[in-house]
Amino acid sequence: GAVVSQHPSWVICKSGTSVKIECRSLDFQATTMFWYRQFPKQSLMLMATSNEGSKATYEQGVEKDKFLINHASLTLSTLTVTSAHPEDSSFYICSATSPYSFGSREQYFGPGTRLTVT
Amino acid sequence: QKEVEQDPGPLSVPEGAIVSLNCTYSNSAFQYFMWYRQYSRKGPELLMYTYSSGNKEDGRFTAQVDKSSKYISLFIRDSQPSDSATYLCAMSDVSYNTDKLIFGTGTRLQVFP
Repeated sequence: GAVVSQHPSWVICKSGTSVKIECRSLDFQATTMFWYRQFPKQSLMLMATSNEGSKATYEQGVEKDKFLINHASLTLSTLTVTSAHPEDSSFYICSATSPYSFGSREQYFGPGTRLTVT
Repeated sequence: QKEVEQDPGPLSVPEGAIVSLNCTYSNSAFQYFMWYRQYSRKGPELLMYTYSSGNKEDGRFTAQVDKSSKYISLFIRDSQPSDSATYLCAMSDVSYNTDKLIFGTGTRLQVFP
């Protein structure tokens, strides 16, 4: 149980275009979803926290107009990278907590999406 | 100074060895401590979590927390090649609903046959 999927797993886009990444909780309703980015050999950096039906809470330094998060249902959150640039190339990972999670400490992670901006 | 420090490795050990992975932290408000395992190009998966100080054992894995030293450890007994992965420590403070996880950089472990 507690499976989180992400789509696509890998995407290449041209500089200036936008790309959407989906995060789905497959067998549970996610009370909260998180979006992280991870650079090679670096830790996961939290970008934003989202709850279904409300606006996402962004971490300091994360541009909310550039990284649009939509949490439309209890099983789906999307991250749209707008006007992507090469420096946005990274590994984006989502996670979710279930009603049975031990708060936000028990997060279930998706497999990640590798974004390459050329 | 980073809130959570973790040696990135890589740590290379023979099969059957006991592995010790460690993290130090600076924020005394951290009360919850987690260990995640991440295989290459995959998302992290939760291995264990502990609250406050003490030990917790789960099969071949033992997590230790020493809050007085701000030091946590994960021990893997009888290590297997399938344990080869990056191990991330993560921590959070006492706030139940609004806290977030602070991750270490991860230690890459290689277990060779």
